[in-house]
Amino acid sequence: DAGVTQSPTHLIKTRGQQVTLRCSPKSGHDTVSWYQQALGQGPQFIFQYYEEEERQRGNFPDRFSGHQFPNYSSELNVNALLLGDSALYLCASSLIGQGVGEQYFGPGTRLTVT
Amino acid sequence: RKEVEQDPGPFNVPEGATVAFNCTYSNSASQSFFWYRQDCRKEPKLLMSVYSSGNEDGRFTAQLNRASQYISLLIRDSKLSDSATYLCVVSLSSGSARQLTFGSGTQLTVLP
Repeated sequence: DAGVTQSPTHLIKTRGQQVTLRCSPKSGHDTVSWYQQALGQGPQFIFQYYEEEERQRGNFPDRFSGHQFPNYSSELNVNALLLGDSALYLCASSLIGQGVGEQYFGPGTRLTVT
Repeated sequence: RKEVEQDPGPFNVPEGATVAFNCTYSNSASQSFFWYRQDCRKEPKLLMSVYSSGNEDGRFTAQLNRASQYISLLIRDSKLSDSATYLCVVSLSSGSARQLTFGSGTQLTVLP
C-alpha cells in the first residue's frame, strides 16, 4: 500500500521563475491538502483539493495555485517566485468521508529560491 | 497573536526523565486537537489525538482544557528515540479532511 509520494525531492529555482510540485495521495484517499513549512516553523495550510476543485484556502496569495486530476493526484504551482517562498512543501492526503480519520503527509519537496 | 502557541524549547533532558509540553490556541471554536511528531528533515506524523477527557498511549499522556484553551503532552521515561520536534495542532473541523493549524513546534533532545 503506497503512502503519499511527492516529486521532486529537492528543487532550486531563481527569483521570478515558476515551479510545479506534484503529489500522489495514499491509495484510497480522495482529498489532497498542501502545506508550506518555513525553517523553524510549523506547516501552514495553503489549500485543499477534492473532486478536482479547490475547497478550502489558507492565507496565501494568488501566486499559489493548484490542480487535482481525476486520479486524485495534485499539483501545486507557484508563480513569480520570491526568496520567501523557500520552504518545505508538504502534501497531505485523506478520505473525505472517513469521519475523524487521519491525514497522511508525504515526505515533502524542499524548494530553494535564490 | 499566533493561532497556536508553543514554547519552542529546546528541551534537553536525560534518558528516563519526564518532560511536559504546553500549547495554547486562540480560536475557541476549535473542534479537533492533536500532537504530531516531526523528525529532522522528515514529514510530520500523528502522535496522538487529544480528547477532553484526557488520553494516554503508553508513555504519552495528552490533556485538553477547553475552558483555558490549553493542550498538554507528557512524556514519561524518555527514550533517545523520542528526540524530535513536537507540533501542537488544532482544527476547526472534526472531519478527516480538516484544515490543520500547527504551532511552531517544541524541540526535544533526549540525552544518553
